[in-house]
Amino acid sequence: EDQVTQSPEALRLQEGESSSLNCSYTVSGLRGLFWYRQDPGKGPEFLFTLYSAGEEKEKERLKATLTKKESFLHITAPKPEDSATYLCAVQALTGGGNKLTFGTGTQLKVEL
Amino acid sequence: ETGVTQSPTHLIKTRGQQVTLRCSSQSGHNTVSWYQQALGQGPQFIFQYYREEENGRGNFPPRFSGLQFPNYSSELNVNALELDDSALYLCASSPGVDFETQYFGPGTRLLVL
Repeated sequence: EDQVTQSPEALRLQEGESSSLNCSYTVSGLRGLFWYRQDPGKGPEFLFTLYSAGEEKEKERLKATLTKKESFLHITAPKPEDSATYLCAVQALTGGGNKLTFGTGTQLKVEL
Repeated sequence: ETGVTQSPTHLIKTRGQQVTLRCSSQSGHNTVSWYQQALGQGPQFIFQYYREEENGRGNFPPRFSGLQFPNYSSELNVNALELDDSALYLCASSPGVDFETQYFGPGTRLLVL
């Protein structure tokens, strides 16, 4: 069974204090790993998709990387508006139709 | 705004009752996926419909069922409600079956008493 574990559960940063969020995964074969951002009371918002080990993608202050066992979401010089829950999800290379497995998320709070 | 709407926004039901949740996808989006998100947890994939056919299902019992209509609307039906069904139910639409291009609605919060 596909499993996704995110750490830490919660993270508090000062504005400008860079850090990384971790997503460890177990799948029979990875078709894609996804990062989403979720604000309170809203549905998740897509950030990145990574397909193979060594791949990296960037968007503003965020950079996602992928290895064979885990993914990192690096946040450089965060601002208060980066405060949100960050979710990681995996899609496996399995038959029987599509399926997406999410982790429990990391709740990020960036303070002035 | 993602162009995906859900109704109702909030709902209270009693254990054993049945509920229907609705989703309106973006025009041209042939795929809709449904998720259950308990408080403090990540979303759990319920199922995906592509062109009105089920295209994948998570670990949910048969009392969770769905319908997708040609007019880009869809329904999630849950029979014999249990207390643990209390959660935020999210739908997401996409042009094709890949998850990268899915856009989420704001969700329906269901409380089962």
